Order: sequence, then C-alpha cells, then structure tokens
Amino acid sequence: SAVISQKPSRDICQRGTSLTIQCQVDSQVTMMFWYRQQPGQSLTLIATANQGSEATYESGFVIDKFPISRPNLTFSTLTVSNMSPEDSSIYLCSVGGRSTDTQYFGPGTRLTVL
Amino acid sequence: SQQGEEDPQALSIQEGENATMNCSYKTSINNLQWYRQNSGRGLVHLILIRSNEREKHSGRLRVTLDTSKKSSSLLITASRAADTASYFCATQTSGSARQLTFGSGTQLTVLP
Repeated sequence: SAVISQKPSRDICQRGTSLTIQCQVDSQVTMMFWYRQQPGQSLTLIATANQGSEATYESGFVIDKFPISRPNLTFSTLTVSNMSPEDSSIYLCSVGGRSTDTQYFGPGTRLTVL
Repeated sequence: SQQGEEDPQALSIQEGENATMNCSYKTSINNLQWYRQNSGRGLVHLILIRSNEREKHSGRLRVTLDTSKKSSSLLITASRAADTASYFCATQTSGSARQLTFGSGTQLTVLP
C-alpha cells in the first residue's frame, strides 16, 4: 500500500483567489489522480497526472481552472484558480497500487470558498 | 461522469444486523471496487471483484457481481457502530489507465 499526505487539510478562501493543494506519496508511482467531491456528492475525476507529460483532463475540467504539476514520481500539485463558492469541495489525490488495480487515497483537502 | 447509481442512498440499521448496499453501472468493466469514507475524509479500499468473478469474501464483507445485470452488492454482516460511513462502488474499465468511476454512494448508519 501507499501512504499519501495532502496539504493543506482544509482552507477557507476568498472568491477570486487561487489555492494550491499538495499531494505527497511515500513511494514512486507512475500515475496520480485528482478527484473532486462536492458537498454530499460522490467523487468525480478531475485529471490524471503523469510525470513528464501534461495532465489529462476529464470532460468539464480545464487546465486554466485546475492547473496540475507533476515534477517527480512522488509529488503533485493541483491549483484551483479564480475560485468561486461553487468550487467548495473536498479535493482528493490518489495513486494506483504497484501490482493491483486498487487505489490509495490521500486524506483530502476540504476547501470552502466564501 | 458517474458510472451509475447506488441504493439505498441512506441506510440505518441496528448493531448486529446485516447491511446490504447495491450498485449499478452502465458500461463493460474490468473490475468493480468498494470503498468506505468516514465523515468526508479519504477513501479506504475495501474489496475488489473482477469481471470474471461472481462472489468474493473478506472478513465480514461479501461482494457479488452480476455482469449480465451490470450490478453489484456489498453485504456487511454483524454490523458495528464503527461501520458507520459512506460506501461507494467504483468501476475500472479495460484500458482506462486505472482511473475509477464512482457510484453515488450509500450513507450507512449503524445504531448502537
């Protein structure tokens, strides 16, 4: 299994500002995933972050709004840009297991936009 | 987009009773997984069942998969108050680069 940490664990931000969320894994992984969970809802995949290439975004998510960095095999960041109250969600990163199809999730970042 | 629906949306039972949650999905899959989430925290993987499997057990968990009906069920036997959480099914398709598509989730409350 992988141990994943996220920073910050929570934040309250003003409309129009940006927040960068960090995801750190205790081992090298090829793929990292970023999910959004809106209040009371299920998880929706934002993008897949591969080291050495641009992130692949899902329908409804764009790079200008959610830029992602993946500088190495243990770290990734997701920025939520020009925030509005609709961006209030829990943002989670996850990684795939080395030899299994299961995924391991970070503890999430709870974002509130006023 | 979400793969499918889970029912019930919410389930409340007494400690010691069994809890059954159902998941339906829309496309062909490689495997189906169940995750638990406590109070808006990170998800914990519970069990994975592959498309060529029909039933799988892990401790107090029993998962079934019916690919002809595109549905799965999660049974938690002898439930405990600590089982109170949200439960999500998630599917992986072949060639999906391991990304998961989640169901809508079931909020389980186990009353002591």
